[in-house]
Amino acid sequence: EIVMTQSPATLSVSPGERATLSCRASQSISRNLAWYQQKPGQAPRLVLFSASVRASGIPARFSGTASGTEFTLTISSLQSEDFAVYYCQQYEKWPITFGQGTRLDIK
Amino acid sequence: EVQLVESGGGLVQPGGSLRLSCAASGFSFDEYAMHWVRQAPGKGLEWVSSVSWSGGFTGYVDSVKGRFTISRDNAKNSLYLQMDSLRGDDTALYYCAKGANAGPHYEIDFWGQGTLVTVSS
Repeated sequence: EIVMTQSPATLSVSPGERATLSCRASQSISRNLAWYQQKPGQAPRLVLFSASVRASGIPARFSGTASGTEFTLTISSLQSEDFAVYYCQQYEKWPITFGQGTRLDIK
Repeated sequence: EVQLVESGGGLVQPGGSLRLSCAASGFSFDEYAMHWVRQAPGKGLEWVSSVSWSGGFTGYVDSVKGRFTISRDNAKNSLYLQMDSLRGDDTALYYCAKGANAGPHYEIDFWGQGTLVTVSS
């Protein structure tokens, strides 16, 4: 099983500032990584796929990078609607696995 | 507009069974893989099972293998999850989710709102 490790568990950032979320895979997953946003009481929403491709309707302030087994989601200028929990997910191999999530809080 | 509407959740005793259903609309159901993902109360996301567009390929997380069965009826635009021998740690909100491609090794691009399964005596 591929283990996905996200850091930090909680990130407190002020509106307008940059947020950087990390996700590490325990083995190579190529670029088969997605990021999801989940707000309280809502279903997850796809943010990025193939490590860096924005999903439909996702603003350009969201970007992703990949380096080996290290992946990063960056939100360049946080808006109030961006505060949520973010999950990374690998779909390279079964079982599909998610990271444990990073909670992005308002500072 | 893509819609996924889950049903069939509820309270069941340990060892019991439930069948979850997901009614899909707004896309060509028979062209996409489908998934079940669950979320225990206050916890993160856990992939449960996937099925390819034709139903020919299925996959399960180890903890449900032999107990859960995923299936689909493309004529009815519906996805199912038969859950047997339910345990307390199966308690969760179960999401029906649409894959981005015909095969299962792609991202999930749309999620339903979930149906709650509670396993308790």
